[in-house]
Formats: sequence, C-alpha cells, structure tokens
Amino acid sequence: TQLLEQSPQFLSIQEGENLTVYCNSSSVFSSLQWYRQEPGEGPVLLVTVVTGGEVKKLKRLTFQFGDARKDSSLHITAAQPGDTGLYLCAGHAGNMLTFGGGTRLMVKP
Amino acid sequence: DTEVTQTPKHLVMGMTNKKSLKCEQHMGHRAMYWYKQKAKKPPELMFVYSYEKLSINESVPSRFSPECPNSSLLNLHLHALQPEDSALYLCASSSQLAWGETQYFGPGTRLLVL
Repeated sequence: TQLLEQSPQFLSIQEGENLTVYCNSSSVFSSLQWYRQEPGEGPVLLVTVVTGGEVKKLKRLTFQFGDARKDSSLHITAAQPGDTGLYLCAGHAGNMLTFGGGTRLMVKP
Repeated sequence: DTEVTQTPKHLVMGMTNKKSLKCEQHMGHRAMYWYKQKAKKPPELMFVYSYEKLSINESVPSRFSPECPNSSLLNLHLHALQPEDSALYLCASSSQLAWGETQYFGPGTRLLVL
C-alpha cells in the first residue's frame, strides 16, 4: 500500500501570510494531483504534476513535484480568506489514486 | 467541460429504506469511481468501473450495489444501510482506467442514515 503523508494537518494563518503544504511518500508516483475541497463539496482539481522536478504556477499557488517523484509541495503566497479549505494531494501508482490525509487551511481576514 | 454531476445533493434514509445515488458525466470518460468520505478524512475508494464493467471492488459490504447502465451514468444502490454509513459519497471519472489519468470529482451526495 502506497502511503502519502501530508503536513501540516491543520494550519491557521492571517490574510497576507505565505504558507507551504507538504506531501511525502516513500513510494514513487507516476503523477500527483492537488485538490481543494470545501465542506460538503467534492474535491476540485487544482493541478496535475507528472515530471520529476516539475514546477507549476496557478496565480498565487506554486506546485512542485520532487525530482524522485516521491514528494510534492504546495506554496501559497499572500493567502486570502478565499483560500480556506481542505487541500488534498493524491498520487497515482499504476491505475489507482492514493490520497494524503489532507491539510485543513483557515485564512483569517 | 470537466463536470461530473451527482444527485441528490442530500439524502436522509432509514435503515430499512432502499435508495439510489446517481452520477453522470458527458466528457466521454470510460472510467468511473465511487468514493466514500467521512468527516475530516480523505476519500476512500469503493468501486471502479472501466468500460461499464466493474473492475475494482474494495471489499465493500453488499448493502452497497453499484451499477453502470451506460458509459455516462453510474449508480449506487443502497439497501439496509447502517448509521455508520453516513458520509459524503463522491463520484469521479477519468478518461480511462490507466496510468496517471486525472480524476474529476462530482460535488457529492451527503447521506445521513437514521
């Protein structure tokens, strides 16, 4: 069983601060997705990374896939209250998707 | 268009009821999934369909019965559920059941079993 560990589990910050969420595994993943989920809603895809060392930017969000494709990070610059939610990383090993435990982010105005 | 729709959005049922959850996508995806998500936990895979055939059943109790009537539709039939089955049920689809295919999720059905 491939395991993905996310850290931190919870993060409460003030508007305007920067933050980084980590997703780590001892296994190699063929690709990794980041999702954001609001309470009672389904996960919404933010990005897919497939190449070791890849960096993708989505406005204030920067995603990085580790060189060995075992880890990933999500960095948010100047967080806003609208960024509040559950951030999930999910890695592909073969056909199936393995989810990390999630990072619950709260950005206070 | 990357939309997966699910109905109903909310469902309350008794332990003796029979109900069904419905999922639909029109992206031409040939793999569809059911997940169960408890509060403050990540989604857990239940079933996977590939080309309308059940490919994976993650040891789900028989009170949950999936059905894929065509390539766009996925149902989850519920019968004799237990209160601990209360959760958010998520449907997802991907282009196919293959290496690294991105899964797109629906908004979920929030189920409460009384």
